[in-house]
Amino acid sequence: TAGITQAPTSQILAAGRSMTLRCTQDMRHNAMYWYRQDLGLGLRLIHYSNTAGTTGKGEVPDGYSVSRANTDDFPLTLASAVPSQTSVYFCASSASLGTGGGYTFGSGTRLTVV
Amino acid sequence: KNQVEQSPQSLIILEGKNCTLQCNYTVSPFSNLRWYKQDTGRGPVSLTIMTFSENTKSNGRYTATLDADTKQSSLHITASQLSDSASYICVVSEGVGSQGNLIFGKGTKLSVKP
Repeated sequence: TAGITQAPTSQILAAGRSMTLRCTQDMRHNAMYWYRQDLGLGLRLIHYSNTAGTTGKGEVPDGYSVSRANTDDFPLTLASAVPSQTSVYFCASSASLGTGGGYTFGSGTRLTVV
Repeated sequence: KNQVEQSPQSLIILEGKNCTLQCNYTVSPFSNLRWYKQDTGRGPVSLTIMTFSENTKSNGRYTATLDADTKQSSLHITASQLSDSASYICVVSEGVGSQGNLIFGKGTKLSVKP
């Protein structure tokens, strides 16, 4: 089934350690996004990419970095994790950056920083 | 500040009953409004997308309405089923922007009981 694959499904990470959340899509979508979802808050955009080789900052980018070496992969890296980064992280993609198309979301990565 | 407010925060109904979820927004300029269904432990899945010129859109037992003048939308679920238990998220697109500028509501958690 075409869609987005995220890995790992869940992770417990010690504070100060680094980690990369993986995201791969097989729909040849140009745009990809990383969101975090916290209890009582709506999804918030961390970083986005409108095409391979370009990235941009969303609403809550601090403490996170991304890269887009090719169309399919959009990894999210936490260089030095802090407890406030405990959250559920969703990767999403759309055919193009902007407002017209629908977004496809992955199943999420549940990260706990202790 | 652009906001999307959903009500109620949570709702419990009996299987077979109908229900209506509300979404009010202050997003401007407005491009489109989407309703997503998010099952527990899964990513959001699109139900409907409406532009400002559309008043209603259906997807099976789900019917979304939009009043762009009052900036209100509703999602009506007919003959509810146990599988409708999920969070329903209203998402408004803030016009054409560099990252699509999706503004997410906090969601309504619906529980359908037998």
